[in-house]
Amino acid sequence: DTEVTQTPKHLVMGMTNKKSLKCEQHMGHRAMYWYKQKAKKPPELMFVYSYEKLSINESVPSRFSPECPNSSLLNLHLHALQPEDSALYLCASSQVAGVDTNEQFFGPGTRLTVL
Amino acid sequence: QQPVQSPQAVILREGEDAVINCSSSKALYSVHWYRQKHGEAPVFLMILLKGGEQKGHEKISASFNEKKQQSSLYLTASQLSYSGTYFCGTDGSSNTGKLIFGQGTTLQVKP
Repeated sequence: DTEVTQTPKHLVMGMTNKKSLKCEQHMGHRAMYWYKQKAKKPPELMFVYSYEKLSINESVPSRFSPECPNSSLLNLHLHALQPEDSALYLCASSQVAGVDTNEQFFGPGTRLTVL
Repeated sequence: QQPVQSPQAVILREGEDAVINCSSSKALYSVHWYRQKHGEAPVFLMILLKGGEQKGHEKISASFNEKKQQSSLYLTASQLSYSGTYFCGTDGSSNTGKLIFGQGTTLQVKP
C-alpha cells in the first residue's frame, strides 16, 4: 500500500467553526508533513512530524493545530480560520524526515474554503 | 530560500523535448523533482544527490550540478501524459525533511 489518504476531500467552514483534517498512511513511514497550497503556487511546508514528535513548525498561526496520535495518523485541527486560509491542504509522508534520500508521498489533499 | 525555476511555462507538441531548470542561491545537497497534474497531488519523479549523478524515470532524466547550484530536468519525446506543473524541491536546512519548492513550471503537451 503506497497511498496517503486524506479526509474530507472538500470542506467549507465559517470563521467561527472548529473542524479537523485527517491524514493516514500505512507504509510504515515515520515522518509526516502538512503543506498548504494556494492556486498556481507551490506547496508550502507547515509542519513536520518525525517519530510522532513535532520537529518543524514553520511559524504557522495557532489557529492551525497539528496532532500525530500514532505513526499512521496525522490530524490538523482548525479553529477561527480566516478567508485567506482557504487553500488545498496536502499531507505527505516519507520513511524518515531527512530529504537527502527520502521521497515524499503526497495525499490528494483537502480543498478548504473559509467563508 | 526558494529555488528559481525556468521557464515558467512551456508548450510542446507530442514528441518534442523540453528542459526545465532549477537553481539555488545556496549550496544544495539534494534536489527533488515532482509533477502535479491539475486537481491532483504532487507525484515524486526523482531525487538528485550531491555528486552529480544523473537519474532517469521513463523518458525523463535529470542532472545535478552542485558547483553551479542547479539541476535540470530533461523530458524527451514528450507524451500527452507529461502535461502538468513540475516543481523542484531543495532541502531547507540540515536534512530535516524541510523541502522548499520552486515556483513551478507548467508544461502543456499538445497532440
